[in-house]
Amino acid sequence: QSVLTQPPSVSAAPGQKVTISCSGSSSNIGNNYVSWYQQLPGTAPKLLIYENNKRPSGIPDRFSGSKSGTSATLGITALQTGDEADYYCGTWDSSLSAGVFGGGTKLTVL
Amino acid sequence: EVQLLESGGALVQPGGSLRLSCAASGFTFSSYAMGWVRQAPGKGLEWVSAISNSGGSTYYADSVKGRFTISRDNSKTTLYLQMIGLKAEDTAVYYCAKDLGFRGTVPDFDYWGQGTLVTVSS
Repeated sequence: QSVLTQPPSVSAAPGQKVTISCSGSSSNIGNNYVSWYQQLPGTAPKLLIYENNKRPSGIPDRFSGSKSGTSATLGITALQTGDEADYYCGTWDSSLSAGVFGGGTKLTVL
Repeated sequence: EVQLLESGGALVQPGGSLRLSCAASGFTFSSYAMGWVRQAPGKGLEWVSAISNSGGSTYYADSVKGRFTISRDNSKTTLYLQMIGLKAEDTAVYYCAKDLGFRGTVPDFDYWGQGTLVTVSS
């Protein structure tokens, strides 16, 4: 069982918007930054969002992140078929003194 | 261009040992924390370990604490993961990753290697 909880799957049509939630606790999300990763099939993960809502260079502004309390959300607008991937949230857990990831969410663009 | 090249993955028997290496280039290695993340076949990401830029601070997941040791050689720009007492549940692709910061306690991995497969089986 992952320390961070994500929905196993989400789906939406091309051009639409989708959000992926990540729920934790005060020892992790509540007091630490959250990052989000995209993993396309057969490839290494790619950083999409760091420090809750910042995008690395090269990441389009269709991807956004937010955090409220002990939950975080990844938003993707103007969905494309190329966005089909697994998405993971990650953060530090101060009680564990370790990094933690969510279980991952599979995005299907119908 | 940042490059991270893992090596050392292999088939090993339960109870065996293995050392993974990650050769880094394209950035000032000694300025950034580094980490290892693994992914069991068909499963999600699991954070394994991280080390600060100087090597002075190390962190481990409970699942590997006491069995795995992370280290780095800044003069060789290489990250290591020494694994002993390997179990079947350690079977996974192991990714080396560069952190955005120097502490290793965020973690924000902005560059990843291609991964190296460790299989623990008799």
